[in-house]
Amino acid sequence: AQSVTQLDSHVSVSEGTPVLLRCNYSSSYSPSLFWYVQHPNKGLQLLLKYTSAATLVKGINGFEAEFKKSETSFHLTKPSAHMSDAAEYFCVVSSGTYKYIFGTGTRLKVLA
Amino acid sequence: DTGVSQNPRHKITKRGQNVTFRCDPISEHNRLYWYRQTLGQGPEFLTYFQNEAQLEKSRLLSDRFSAERPKGSFSTLEIQRTEQGDSAMYLCASSGTGAYNEQFFGPGTRLTVL
Repeated sequence: AQSVTQLDSHVSVSEGTPVLLRCNYSSSYSPSLFWYVQHPNKGLQLLLKYTSAATLVKGINGFEAEFKKSETSFHLTKPSAHMSDAAEYFCVVSSGTYKYIFGTGTRLKVLA
Repeated sequence: DTGVSQNPRHKITKRGQNVTFRCDPISEHNRLYWYRQTLGQGPEFLTYFQNEAQLEKSRLLSDRFSAERPKGSFSTLEIQRTEQGDSAMYLCASSGTGAYNEQFFGPGTRLTVL
């Protein structure tokens, strides 16, 4: 069975400071892991994906994530937050090529 | 725009009525997925098609729900005898069949059952 736990439902950061959104996963198989972002009234957009290649994955808009098998984690980071980063972020696990399992989401607030 | 499209974007209905939603995937994608997202939760998998074949259905998909993809292109999701608990955002996604192909999501259809 697979599952995803997003450890924080809300995160607030000041503009220009680092962002850390935490995700732990459970999977019986070698997983694929994704981070998606959802802005209000917009569809889910892929930020980045891990598919058993490099453990440090770079995505769009300056985001990156590191796959740590020993810690079963896939945390999302960004060195410097921008106001436009305010949104809901979802960590996703998939053990095959279909059927995503989503976390409950982390709402990121960026303070001016 | 060649992304995934969904219609309608919003639907308000009375309890007991039937509703149907449509999803048009990215044209070259042969996999299509339906998810449901309730307030404060992440999307939950409902069902999945490869071409016109429905290959998996979640236990969330009660017998009041039916999904079709008759020609392997667009898909419809019908809910019969709607209940207030059906109120949610219904998301459609599509992907190719290569390994690790990510899913591309539509904007969703928000259903409100009064």
